[in-house]
Amino acid sequence: DAGITQSPRYKITETGRQVTLMCHQTWSHSYMFWYRQDLGHGLRLIYYSAAADITDKGEVPDGYVVSRSKTENFPLTLESATRSQTSVYFCAVGSDGEAFFGQGTRLTVV
Amino acid sequence: GQQLNQSPQSMFIQEGEDVSMNCTSSSIFNTWLWYKQDPGEGPVLLIALYKAGELTSNGRLTAQFGITRKDSFLNISASIPSDVGIYFCAGQWTYKYIFGTGTRLKVLA
Repeated sequence: DAGITQSPRYKITETGRQVTLMCHQTWSHSYMFWYRQDLGHGLRLIYYSAAADITDKGEVPDGYVVSRSKTENFPLTLESATRSQTSVYFCAVGSDGEAFFGQGTRLTVV
Repeated sequence: GQQLNQSPQSMFIQEGEDVSMNCTSSSIFNTWLWYKQDPGEGPVLLIALYKAGELTSNGRLTAQFGITRKDSFLNISASIPSDVGIYFCAGQWTYKYIFGTGTRLKVLA
């Protein structure tokens, strides 16, 4: 039981390209989150979803798009990648107050 | 963005020593969580606390939910080399999780 699976683990893309990071949970928890982790900024919330077809912005949503057509999947899309979006991205799932994180995707925009 | 005040920021300790770290906030939370993050990995949940005053243990780890609901403490007893990593606290209410800035722990054998 992998719990939360993020893919890819590593990605290098060029400025201006669209890139999608995937997140899949094997549970059926309602809440899913996308965070980015940068030195000096800690974990910052990009978007969250309370249920299928319900999403909302977090602290740093600009340049990102999310969707949640199925409870178990929560993809994050960078519409036109910029160098400032180079970061480590974590998907998390929330249940009963607890939050569980995926292994992360290290994205480099060149 | 909003972050919890976590201290110390980093610490070097000798193997076998006990470690204490804490988080404080100006806001109250419903749940306090403690995570450990190893290099290149995601944060792993260590302990969850649900009630003010609650004291919970997980092996050599003990955490407490502060009475005011604005703080939490984590203690690691008899540290070992594999305790090295970054420890994060997080406070939760509704869908929101606010994270501490992290305590980087280094254990000297």
